[in-house]
Amino acid sequence: GAVVSQHPSRVICKSGTSVKIECRSLDFQATTMFWYRQFPKQSLMLMATSNEGSKATYEQGVEKDKFLINHASLTLSTLTVTSAHPEDSSFYICSANRGRYNEQFFGPGTRLTVL
Amino acid sequence: AQTVTQSQPEMSVQEAETVTLSCTYDTSESDYYLFWYKQPPSRQMILVIRQEAYKQQNATENRFSVNFQKAAKSFSLKISDSQLGDAAMYFCAYGGGATNKLIFGTGTLLAVQP
Repeated sequence: GAVVSQHPSRVICKSGTSVKIECRSLDFQATTMFWYRQFPKQSLMLMATSNEGSKATYEQGVEKDKFLINHASLTLSTLTVTSAHPEDSSFYICSANRGRYNEQFFGPGTRLTVL
Repeated sequence: AQTVTQSQPEMSVQEAETVTLSCTYDTSESDYYLFWYKQPPSRQMILVIRQEAYKQQNATENRFSVNFQKAAKSFSLKISDSQLGDAAMYFCAYGGGATNKLIFGTGTLLAVQP
């Protein structure tokens, strides 16, 4: 149980285009979903917290107009990187919390490369 | 603000031996959770073990156990009978408060030598 999927696993796009990443909790309803960014050999950096039906809460320094988050249901959250540039290239990971013990279950991640 | 510190950037262990990864944290909260997550080369984050702060008994999951010292704010992970598949980055994480956020340490890269 507690499986989180993320799609796509890898995406390459041209500078200036927008990219959407989906995160789904497959076998549970997630009270909260989270989006992280991870640079090579570094820890996870929390970008935003997403609750179903409400606006996402962004961490300090994260541009909310650049990284649009929509939490349409208790099992789906999406991250859209708008007008992507090479500096947005990174590994993006989502996670979901099912309301117990604060534990989060993670998706497999999306590697974004912006050319 | 809560912080999590992992002072060992890299560790190495021989297969079948035991290794302990260190983690310290700082908080003023009394109710919280602590976690160890494993991130293998695939980069999939995997929950290894969870400890509730109100429980005095140390959590155990098969070959993985923790040494939770609440007063010292220490939360180390012991891996017994190390296997090649244990090679990964290990992150210590703190969870508490109303936001359900996790605060991660900087990670310890564990190598397992055959």
